[in-house]
Amino acid sequence: DIQMTQSPSTLSASVGDRVTITCRASQSISSWLAWYQQKPGKAPKLLIYKASSLESGVPSRFSGSGSGTEFTLTISSLQPDDFATYYCQQYNSYFLTFGGGTKVEIK
Amino acid sequence: EVQLVQSGAEVKKPGESLKISCKGSGYSFTSYWIGWVRQMPGKGLEWMGIIYPGDSDTRYSPSFQGQVTISADKSISTAYLQWSSLKASDTAMYYCARAGYYYDSSGYYLPNWFDPWGQGTLVTVSS
Repeated sequence: DIQMTQSPSTLSASVGDRVTITCRASQSISSWLAWYQQKPGKAPKLLIYKASSLESGVPSRFSGSGSGTEFTLTISSLQPDDFATYYCQQYNSYFLTFGGGTKVEIK
Repeated sequence: EVQLVQSGAEVKKPGESLKISCKGSGYSFTSYWIGWVRQMPGKGLEWMGIIYPGDSDTRYSPSFQGQVTISADKSISTAYLQWSSLKASDTAMYYCARAGYYYDSSGYYLPNWFDPWGQGTLVTVSS
């Protein structure tokens, strides 16, 4: 199995801050990585696919980068609606895996 | 509109069986993968397995192999997740989600990202 490690697990930030979340794969996954946002009591929502492609309708303050084993999700200017938990997911094979999640909290 | 609608919340006793469903609409059900994801209370997302309704190709996470069964009935555009004997530790929210596919270097069609997701089915197992 490919293991996905996210860091940090919790992040405290203020509105307007630039926020970066990291996801590391235990082996190379090329660019086969997606990012999701989940709010309490709701299903996850796709933000980014193929490491850096922004899903339609997602604000441009979200961006993704990386390839191989290291990836980042960046929120350029944190908005009140962005306080949530974020997950990465690899799809390098039939056996998919999620990262452990990063909770973005209000500072 | 592409939509996945899941069956309602369930309360079961340990040892009972259960089958929950996920009905797809607004797209060709047989041309996309459907995956199942577990979220235990206060915890993260865990991929359980995935099925391609077009040919019933099914893959399981090693953590869930033998513990659950994933199936699909393409005549009614519905995927299922079932347990033969529930445990208290199966208490969780279960999501289904649609995945497209891409071709790898060997020509196999692999599942990719999940979008959209169902609303979730809460399963509570308690004596």
